[in-house]
Amino acid sequence: DQQVKQNSPSLSVQEGRISILNCDYTNSMFDYFLWYKKYPAEGPTFLISISSIKDKNEDGRFTVFLNKSAKHLSLHIVPSQPGDSAVYFCAAKRVKTSYDKVIFGPGTSLSVIP
Amino acid sequence: DAGVTQSPTHLIKTRGQQVTLRCSPKSGHDTVSWYQQALGQGPQFIFQYYEEEERQRGNFPDRFSGHQFPNYSSELNVNALLLGDSALYLCASSLRGGSYSPLHFGNGTRLTVT
Repeated sequence: DQQVKQNSPSLSVQEGRISILNCDYTNSMFDYFLWYKKYPAEGPTFLISISSIKDKNEDGRFTVFLNKSAKHLSLHIVPSQPGDSAVYFCAAKRVKTSYDKVIFGPGTSLSVIP
Repeated sequence: DAGVTQSPTHLIKTRGQQVTLRCSPKSGHDTVSWYQQALGQGPQFIFQYYEEEERQRGNFPDRFSGHQFPNYSSELNVNALLLGDSALYLCASSLRGGSYSPLHFGNGTRLTVT
């Protein structure tokens, strides 16, 4: 059972515009959500996170929104830059459970066109 | 500040053989998690080690085993290799498994089973 879903395998955006990557989860016990970025031949790199007590977290050009009732989160990148072209993974875990694992979605490949 | 390091970078093995992958966590981290990433998929959780014990395990057979040493470094062993074990194996470290500490990944070991 896939507990973290990213239903768009790929996304293309013009440079300077907004990129919106979506993620849905099924386990209501998740209370910490993370976004990772991955370039080819490198490991995933942590981008931004949000705990379930918040509905928004910003870090520079990256903003994550959490809608707990819909079990949905999204990552907004504004403005998008060619260097943002990568695979983005949404991930979730239960912090209140000791040693719980981080579950990843299948990823969305973002292409930012110059 | 050294990040997560994994060795070797690439490995080619024959079906039925055994393999050992190694990981040194980021300085200051005490928890190591291993993930398998097949082509086009998100990282799948194998297991997590903290205080030299396996704390959580994903849906992987007993052919996959691990170890954590007193210096927090870790090994992943896979016995009786199958063609389906071909994947990128990622090691991730964090501080205290049950916390809000995000995972920091190494660049992975690309295992090819022929």
